[in-house]
Parts: sequence; C-alpha cells; structure tokens
Amino acid sequence: QKEVEQDPGPLSVPEGAIVSLNCTYSNSAFQYFMWYRQYSRKGPELLMYTYSSGNKEDGRFTAQVDKSSKYISLFIRDSQPSDSATYLCEAAGNKLTFGGGTRVLVKP
Amino acid sequence: NAGVTQTPKFQVLKTGQSMTLQCAQDMNHNSMYWYRQDPGMGLRLIYYSASEGTTDKGEVPNGYNVSRLNKREFSLRLESAAPSQTSVYFCASSGLQGYSNQPQHFGDGTRLSIL
Repeated sequence: QKEVEQDPGPLSVPEGAIVSLNCTYSNSAFQYFMWYRQYSRKGPELLMYTYSSGNKEDGRFTAQVDKSSKYISLFIRDSQPSDSATYLCEAAGNKLTFGGGTRVLVKP
Repeated sequence: NAGVTQTPKFQVLKTGQSMTLQCAQDMNHNSMYWYRQDPGMGLRLIYYSASEGTTDKGEVPNGYNVSRLNKREFSLRLESAAPSQTSVYFCASSGLQGYSNQPQHFGDGTRLSIL
C-alpha cells in the first residue's frame, strides 16, 4: 500500500464547476503538504503549500489538511479549460512521498 | 528566470550503454533531487542531496549513481542502461536541507528510452 493514495481519475467537469481533488496518507510524521499541477510534457509546478492542519486559500485555489483523518484536499473554483492537467499531492516530514496524480479535464 | 534546467530533453539508448543526465539550478537551493515518473506510479525518488557534498538513496536507487558537483549541479548516471529504466526523469531543488520546509521546484524532465 502506498503511503500517499490519490485517485488517478480522469476527472471531467464542465467549465465553471468546482474541481475537488483528494489524497489520503498513512504516515503520521508527515507535516508538510503540497499540491502541484503538471501539464503534459512539463515538470510539476507548485500550486499550494501548507504546514500541518488547516485551510489555505490562493485565488481560485483552496487547500485543506485534516491531520486527524490523514486527508488532504484541493478545490479549484470557477474552473477553466486551462486548468486541465494532472494534479499531484505530496506529503513530507521524515520522508517525502507523492501521490500518483489525478488527471483533470475541464470541458468548455 | 531559468530555475531548474535539465539536459538533454530527449535521449534514446541501447541496452548496456551508459549516460549522464545533467541538472543545474540557479536559485541557490541547498537540496536537490532526482525522480523518475512512470504511468500510474507517480514520482518516485531515486536519489537526493541535502547539501553540497552529501547524497542519499531514495526509494528506487538501484542502477543509478549521482554526483553533487557543486551547489548548482546534480547529475544522474546510468552505468549500464536497461529497458526497465525507460522513463521520464525529473530533477528538483528546494531551499532548506533534507525533507523539511518543502516545496520543490522542478525542471521539465528528460525523456529517456532504452531499447
């Protein structure tokens, strides 16, 4: 079993909808949680970075961390076709581990 | 801003050949990392370097060697390439040592095919 689990999708939504992405993890030592966006044939780029539990908002993006449930989420409001990409979660602490990525398609 | 630069972008090798993948960062970061990305497997850490002069194994180090040439450069070497090493390789860097205080900045990858 992977230490960070992520549904591979694909997740298809209409333009303007809210995209909801989730990861679960098993290592209690993880303290830092990141979300990256990866376009085809490009490297991952950081979207959100959170430490411990709580919410963080940046424009259309909101990241949530629930350490009691070992559950992290990313929400994208007012989704655009340009949001179509693969989204990777990462957890770090005594080690660092990525989820397998969720492919998202936002249809015009 | 260049960020993390990887060379080459594409490469085809024959089984048994050797090759070095190059990575350089211009952000004055202490830590650097090498990953491979395969379909359905996500990013898997091959080796990392917490600071200049140190290197450590990650999740999948077998068949690879690394060199932290200086603070800017971190190379990955395949001594005898195998078809199982066909993958996309990403280099990354981050500001503080080891695993703490992420996040990482990634290059655009090297697509490596081994026949």
